Amino acid sequence: GQQVMQIPQYQHVQEGEDFTTYCNSSTTLSNIQWYKQRPGGHPVFLIQLVKSGEVKKQKRLTFQFGEAKKNSSLHITATQTTDVGTYFCAAGSGTYKYIFGTGTRLKVLA
Amino acid sequence: EPEVTQTPSHQVTQMGQEVILRCVPISNHLYFYWYRQILGQKVEFLVSFYNNEISEKSEIFDDQFSVERPDGSNFTLKIRSTKLEDSAMYFCASSEARGPYSDEQYFGPGTRLTVT
Repeated sequence: GQQVMQIPQYQHVQEGEDFTTYCNSSTTLSNIQWYKQRPGGHPVFLIQLVKSGEVKKQKRLTFQFGEAKKNSSLHITATQTTDVGTYFCAAGSGTYKYIFGTGTRLKVLA
Repeated sequence: EPEVTQTPSHQVTQMGQEVILRCVPISNHLYFYWYRQILGQKVEFLVSFYNNEISEKSEIFDDQFSVERPDGSNFTLKIRSTKLEDSAMYFCASSEARGPYSDEQYFGPGTRLTVT
């Protein structure tokens, strides 16, 4: 079946450093969504990417969809303690079924 | 701001028992989902539901699972005969169903199911 891997699995950064998580699919995707889950919380929608090579920005967050639509990345500039949590990509295949990635757990040290 | 609600927040049951997890999606949403997350692991898709029918389901969603929209507001997940490995957090989500490329999902707070 479809595999969606994220790297790294864990990342500890000093506050103010940048952070990037990468999402790789074994198959070509129709769209990709990104979610953030705080410790003990539920996934919260961040963004959706649909077009090949698409780049979207939300304040300090930059999301990119690969040209081949098989990978994506999330980059956070100048991390803050409020960025702590696990970031998941969710791969869409053009239907109402999303395969979540393995997640990257971010810890920000003040 | 409208939100998805789930009850109960924690359910403890004995192996072999039936459980029903309840969700109230956002009122104008049309697509409903169930996911599960074993502690510390990834979120796993179980099923999506639209117009009173299952739209998609995963390999996990076998014959012991069923979903229902018994009235205009509730959406339920039934596990017929629980197993130890069903212990997990179960999340309900809903979306407006503007199309699979515009489908922002809103998650509920989850029900923690513990099977003993």
